[in-house]
Amino acid sequence: DSGVTQTPKHLITATGQRVTLRCSPRSGDLSVYWYQQSLDQGLQFLIQYYNGEERAKGNILERFSAQQFPDLHSELNLSSLELGDSALYFCASGPSRETGELFFGEGSRLTVL
Amino acid sequence: GNSVTQMEGPVTLSEEAFLTINCTYTATGYPSLFWYVQYPGEGLQLLLKATKADDKGSNKGFEATYRKETTSFHLEKGSVQVSDSAVYFCALRGDTGFQKLVFGTGTRLLVSP
Repeated sequence: DSGVTQTPKHLITATGQRVTLRCSPRSGDLSVYWYQQSLDQGLQFLIQYYNGEERAKGNILERFSAQQFPDLHSELNLSSLELGDSALYFCASGPSRETGELFFGEGSRLTVL
Repeated sequence: GNSVTQMEGPVTLSEEAFLTINCTYTATGYPSLFWYVQYPGEGLQLLLKATKADDKGSNKGFEATYRKETTSFHLEKGSVQVSDSAVYFCALRGDTGFQKLVFGTGTRLLVSP
């Protein structure tokens, strides 16, 4: 158990819909990272938050947004969903020493029909 | 920018065979290097890490040495087991600021009895 909790584990929805994925980081970790894992593109970095502030953006679509709340949990919002958004979405958290390893949740599998 | 290149899979081995999965990287400065493993249906778990040149990371019989002169971090195991079947990701994290983990594309290992 990594200590990172993601919900829901599985989600099936239709094109055009909007979903929210939730992540609770390990106790004491201030950084949260979101990654997308799809069959054809591997693990892609989406966005990073540190103590409530956005720190870095990767290949995140404009239809996607995220935030980190004062209690440090984070939400990834995906809107106007397309078939190609079907993927496994991972959240990771890290310790205050920013060169250390990241700890990953079990992921949220999104299927868009 | 930072990048990781790892050998394509799948790698298919018989039980007790020797394993090598190649990984090379491009980065400025002195990144930290990691191997993560993803078992079927699960999230990513840290397998081992090395934070400076010539460090050897090891865990569960796996090992990898941080070679700055060849910019490599190859994963090895002397005798694989069926239970080692998984996808292995090489990753790096830069040494300054708020750095994300940059992953390779992953290598699937299949071990048969």
